[in-house]
Amino acid sequence: QVQLVQSGAEVKKPGASVKVSCKASGYSFTGYYVHWVRQAPGQGLEWMGWINPNSGGTNYAQKFQGRVTMTRDTSISTAYMELTRLTSDDTAVYYCARGVGGNDYWGQGTLVTVSS
Amino acid sequence: DVQMTQSPSSLSASVGDRVTITCRASQSISSYLNWYQQKSGTAPKLLIETASRLQSGVPSRFSGSGSGTDFTLTISSLQPEDFATYYCQQTYSNSISFGQGTRLEIK
Repeated sequence: QVQLVQSGAEVKKPGASVKVSCKASGYSFTGYYVHWVRQAPGQGLEWMGWINPNSGGTNYAQKFQGRVTMTRDTSISTAYMELTRLTSDDTAVYYCARGVGGNDYWGQGTLVTVSS
Repeated sequence: DVQMTQSPSSLSASVGDRVTITCRASQSISSYLNWYQQKSGTAPKLLIETASRLQSGVPSRFSGSGSGTDFTLTISSLQPEDFATYYCQQTYSNSISFGQGTRLEIK
C-alpha cells in the first residue's frame, strides 16, 4: 500500500533551518511528483512547491523562493524539504503529498515549532 | 497568481441535508480543480479531481461540477462523518493554490 512517512516533530529557534523528510513506499517513487504543503495552527492549507523525483526538478511558490530547498534521494525513496531563516510565522504542520493532478496520498504531517 | 475564493467560509447543516460549497477562481483554470476534506488533526483527503472525477472509495453522495472560474462541491445527503473542513485547490497554474476552506458544522 502507498505510504508517505515523515520525520518527527521539530523545535527550532528563530533564524535556524529545518529539514523534513518524507519516505515513500508502495509505489514507484520516481513516477509521481512530491508536493509540500503547510498548515499553520488554525489556518488553511498553503502550497510550498513540488519536486520531480525522477529529474530532481523543482517548482517553488514565490513566497518561499530563496528560503526553501526540495531535494530527493532516489536510492531510499525519500524526499526532503529544507526551510531556512525560520520565524515564528513558520510554525506549522508540514505535509508531503504525492501527486500529478490531485494529491492522493499524504504524509502524516510534521509539526515544526519556531520559538525562542 | 490564481486566487481561489470559497463560499461560505462556514456552514451549519443537519444530517440528511443537501449542501453545496462554491469555489471561484480569479481567472479561468479550465477543469484543474480538486476538492479535499480535512478532519481535525489529520491530513487532507482527496475527494474529487479535475472538477468532477470522484476518487476511488469516496461515497457517491459527493459530487463536483464546474469549469472555467466557477466550481461547486455538493454533498447530496449529509452523514455524520462528513462534518469537516473542505478545501478547493487549483493545479492549472505553475503556482498551485488552495481556497481558504469551508468549515461544515453540525446544526
